[in-house]
Amino acid sequence: QVQLVESGGGVVQPGRSLRLSCAASAFTFGHYGMHWVRQAPGKGLEWVAFISYEGSKKNYADSVKGRFTISRDNSKNTLYLEMNSLRPEDTAVYYCAKDEYYGSWTYPSDWGQGTLVTVSS
Amino acid sequence: QSVLTQPPPVSGAPGQRVTISCTGSSSNIGAGFDVHWYQQLPETAPKLLIYGNTNRPSGVPDRFSASKSGTSASLAISGLQAEDEAHYYCQSYDISLSAWVFGGGTKLTVL
Repeated sequence: QVQLVESGGGVVQPGRSLRLSCAASAFTFGHYGMHWVRQAPGKGLEWVAFISYEGSKKNYADSVKGRFTISRDNSKNTLYLEMNSLRPEDTAVYYCAKDEYYGSWTYPSDWGQGTLVTVSS
Repeated sequence: QSVLTQPPPVSGAPGQRVTISCTGSSSNIGAGFDVHWYQQLPETAPKLLIYGNTNRPSGVPDRFSASKSGTSASLAISGLQAEDEAHYYCQSYDISLSAWVFGGGTKLTVL
């Protein structure tokens, strides 16, 4: 059973930074790409970022490009999201998700329980 | 405004069948990218419900089925049960945006 446990959320002032972590277990972490997906209060799901299995390929949503950085440490089975210049609209539950292949592309398959980030003065 | 369009809230009585549509465009579903569906029960994380347009992960009841055609996809839930009350999201990839994209979600109420 894939396990993904996010941490690092909290209340932060606008313009400040925060780093989220996602601890993975029960699968070979270094063999899979990973995603961050967020959900603002009462809103739908928004994909945030993707990193390939070895970390060489990274993709970002336009809404976070230049401010957020996704990274991973395969020796620690951990995924990270460094969030800088935070804005109130970044307030959301942040989920990490394991990537899975189907056909010609991939999708987020297993999800963690999420960590809440609140950006407020 | 989501890249994939889902209908407003839907409802049905126990035992009935409901469908939820997901409309995309030529840069995502119409470009041949697969559609996946997620169920989000209240106050919980999303859970994969359908992958690769039509496939159910183990443990998902066969009351849930899905299809894809052209630039759209559809999720069907038959024999509605109270435990099916949740938000449902479709997901695909958009080649113009170079981004994984979600529908806005549809809330299902079981009357």
